[in-house]
Amino acid sequence: LAKTTQPPSMEAYEGQEVNVSCSHTNIATSEYIYWYRQVPHQGPQFIIQGYKDYVVNEVASLFISADRKLSTLSLPWVSLRDAAVYYCIVTDNSNYQLIWGSGTKLIIKP
Amino acid sequence: GALVYQYPRRTICKSGTSMRMECQAVGFQATSVAWYRQSPQKTFELIALSTVNSAIKYEQNFTQEKFPISHPNLSFSSMTVLNAYLEDRGLYLCGASGTGGTEVFFGKGTRLTVV
Repeated sequence: LAKTTQPPSMEAYEGQEVNVSCSHTNIATSEYIYWYRQVPHQGPQFIIQGYKDYVVNEVASLFISADRKLSTLSLPWVSLRDAAVYYCIVTDNSNYQLIWGSGTKLIIKP
Repeated sequence: GALVYQYPRRTICKSGTSMRMECQAVGFQATSVAWYRQSPQKTFELIALSTVNSAIKYEQNFTQEKFPISHPNLSFSSMTVLNAYLEDRGLYLCGASGTGGTEVFFGKGTRLTVV
């Protein structure tokens, strides 16, 4: 069973900011949150990871709720190249299991 | 910062031959390294977990005879796919963590094609 729940799909226009949410209500104290995206026939691409509060890198930002049960990936100024399935995963080094949910398919409209 | 590099990123081998892939940790000491293979359902199956100075623990359906792993120091691990066949195709990922924390750092994966 996936540890995370995401909306199955989202649509956005080029140039918009997109926020993809992920629910992880049973996240353990030791677990971290990872976001990946994958396009067909390619391997998953790491986007960002975090534990709490707010994390930002050159690609995206990640907001994690105070209780850590919800995280939101924010993609600024999306383009057609951002069309992919976005996955959030939670894990730690206690068992290293990587259980992926169905992800969120992001559709970008020109 | 902590980074994990995997190489090669892509490789092709002939059916029945073997392929070695490597995982290098930079910026932290990788006391534990996990190797995964992405299944057709997109989930990453854990192959084995290697901890320095401990026995390598293989998950069900994966064996040392098929996927021998070396973890000689705190920055490097390698895994070989022996006698690769079509069912071994896919993306192999390594994840590493160090002491003092629970965070896992992942490489970008090695994509194996068997022809």
